Amino acid sequence: GESVGLHLPTLSVQEGDNSIINCAYSNSASDYFIWYKQESGKGPQFIIDIRSNMDKRQGQRVTVLLNKTVKHLSLQIAATQPGDSAVYFCAEIDSWGKLQFGAGTQVVVTP
Amino acid sequence: DSGVTQTPKHLITATGQRVTLRCSPRSGDLSVYWYQQSLDQGLQFLIQYYNGEERAKGNILERFSAQQFPDLHSELNLSSLELGDSALYFCASSVGAGLNYGYTFGSGTRLTVV
Repeated sequence: GESVGLHLPTLSVQEGDNSIINCAYSNSASDYFIWYKQESGKGPQFIIDIRSNMDKRQGQRVTVLLNKTVKHLSLQIAATQPGDSAVYFCAEIDSWGKLQFGAGTQVVVTP
Repeated sequence: DSGVTQTPKHLITATGQRVTLRCSPRSGDLSVYWYQQSLDQGLQFLIQYYNGEERAKGNILERFSAQQFPDLHSELNLSSLELGDSALYFCASSVGAGLNYGYTFGSGTRLTVV
């Protein structure tokens, strides 16, 4: 079936550097994507979303890029901080609001 | 605090038993979604309710059932529990039934089946 998946299971990044987390999706009809951050012992927390009519969207220290040609999403975190250590999921949302999540990427920020 | 309340936070029970997980959505939200998060399956959608009615079903086992009550809280019932049912169970809520910016997760219930 259709799936949303992440390329890298673990990303180690030095504090202050930029992080890039990648995600591939297979459903070319998908038109809405969300990035979530999940810290240990907590539920997924909304970070940023993007619709298919956009290529880029920026938030506070985060940027999401969408490449529809190759069905690829990325999340960029600027000046990564220790508090950014978490698992990051990309998700596709259907017309009913149901999320289909990718496998997740563990981001580890080192001093 | 996300505004979505899940109880209990932790639950340990034996195989074959039945448990009920409870979710109170964020004030004003009409939709409730249940997700299961296990180590080998990631976050999997189980079921969605909107204003008391079932709207969508995912990979929910027949041993599992859910309902949403008139006050909009929801319960997920898991019966004939197996070791493989050990997981985190998350509830999320949103205002509407479809694409919605305000999709909020609770902190989850950690179920351990022994």
